[in-house]
Amino acid sequence: EDQVTQSPEALRLQEGESSSLNCSYTVSGLRGLFWYRQDPGKGPEFLFTLYSAGEEKEKERLKATLTKKESFLHITAPKPEDSATYLCAVPGAGNNRKLIWGLGTSLAVNP
Amino acid sequence: ETGVTQTPRHLVMGMTNKKSLKCEQHLGHNAMYWYKQSAKKPLELMFVYNFKEQTENNSVPSRFSPECPNSSHLFLHLHTLQPEDSALYLCASSRDVNQETQYFGPGTRLLVL
Repeated sequence: EDQVTQSPEALRLQEGESSSLNCSYTVSGLRGLFWYRQDPGKGPEFLFTLYSAGEEKEKERLKATLTKKESFLHITAPKPEDSATYLCAVPGAGNNRKLIWGLGTSLAVNP
Repeated sequence: ETGVTQTPRHLVMGMTNKKSLKCEQHLGHNAMYWYKQSAKKPLELMFVYNFKEQTENNSVPSRFSPECPNSSHLFLHLHTLQPEDSALYLCASSRDVNQETQYFGPGTRLLVL
C-alpha cells in the first residue's frame, strides 16, 4: 500500500539550532516528492519538488534531499518565522497519480 | 489578485443550511482540486477537475456537490452537512492533472453546528 510517514510528529528548536525532518515513503516507481509548508489556518505553500535519488534543493535556510526510501528537510540556523507544519507528499502508483500525503511535522522555533 | 483565492475564509452553518464555497485561480492552470483537512488526518482529496471535466470523485458523500464552470473557477455546494464535516476545505490548482505541483488557496474554515 502506498504510504508516507513523517517524523517527528512535533519538533521544538531554539533559534539557531539546526535539525532535520524526515519523510519516508513506500511507493513503487517514485515520480516525485513534494515538500510544503503550512502556517496555522492557511493553505499549504509549495517549497520543493525532488525527482531522483541524490537530488538536493535549497531555499534560504531549508535544504531538501532525496534517497530511494526517504527525504530529509534540513533546517539550518532556524528562526522563529520558520515555525510551521511541514508536509510531504508523493504521487501514488495508480494511473490517476493522486498525491499521498503525510501527517506533517509541526515545527516550533523559540527565540 | 494572484495565486489561488478562496471565499469565504470562515463559515458557520447549521445542518439544514445550504452554502457554497468559491475558489478562483489566477495561474492559468487547467486542473483544480478540492481537499478536506481535518486534525490528525492527512489531506483528503475530494474532487479533481481537468479542463472543467470532473476526473475524480473520491467517494465523497452527495451532500458535497462540486461545480466547475471554467478552468479558473471551482465551487463546492454544501447542503445538509453533519458536524463531522467541520474542517478546513482547501482548493488547489496545477498546470494540468498530470503536473503534480499543486498550488493551494488559503482555505475555508467550516464549522457545522
